[in-house]
Amino acid sequence: DAGVTQSPTHLIKTRGQQVTLRCSPKSGHDTVSWYQQALGQGPQFIFQYYEEEERQRGNFPDRFSGHQFPNYSSELNVNALLLGDSALYLCASSLVAGAQGTGELFFGEGSRLTVL
Amino acid sequence: GQQLNQSPQSMFIQEGEDVSMNCTSSSIFNTWLWYKQDPGEGPVLLIALYKAGELTSNGRLTAQFGITRKDSFLNISASIPSDVGIYFCAGPWSNYKLTFGKGTLLTVNP
Repeated sequence: DAGVTQSPTHLIKTRGQQVTLRCSPKSGHDTVSWYQQALGQGPQFIFQYYEEEERQRGNFPDRFSGHQFPNYSSELNVNALLLGDSALYLCASSLVAGAQGTGELFFGEGSRLTVL
Repeated sequence: GQQLNQSPQSMFIQEGEDVSMNCTSSSIFNTWLWYKQDPGEGPVLLIALYKAGELTSNGRLTAQFGITRKDSFLNISASIPSDVGIYFCAGPWSNYKLTFGKGTLLTVNP
């Protein structure tokens, strides 16, 4: 049973560039959430996708955008990169039956983004 | 927004010792979850709690949902080297998102 897979695992960008990160959810899961984890901090919620739409968003600027595809996989895009965007970006999948959920998220290993 | 205060920030213990860490929130939670993160990995769910007063075990790990619904505790008994990692509390699963604490870094000396 494949877990959550993310790509790339590491990448380096320069300020002002754009980046796209990819995530495939755990088999059978239909919901994808993205979290940003700065060094020494806990993960911070960016947004969640369900049924190909952004269902909830955290306190992140519009430079952060996403997409969910019909096969439930997802992308996170960050435009106009800043030094402060350097972090581990975690994708988490879950199975939500209607409006219910348990908060039990399955995380991938993350994509480590370094902005120079 | 919700804030979680997790303590202690770090712990250095001897193998075989018991460990206790806790988390408090500024508001009432309906869910408390405890995750562990190993180096280079994503967080892995250890225990989920859904009712005030609930006490749940997972092997040597035991967690409790505080009666006030504003705190939770995680205990690890008879620690072993593979318990090393960062432990995060999280809650409350409102509006489909979790808020995480800053984590407790646990080091176990063999």
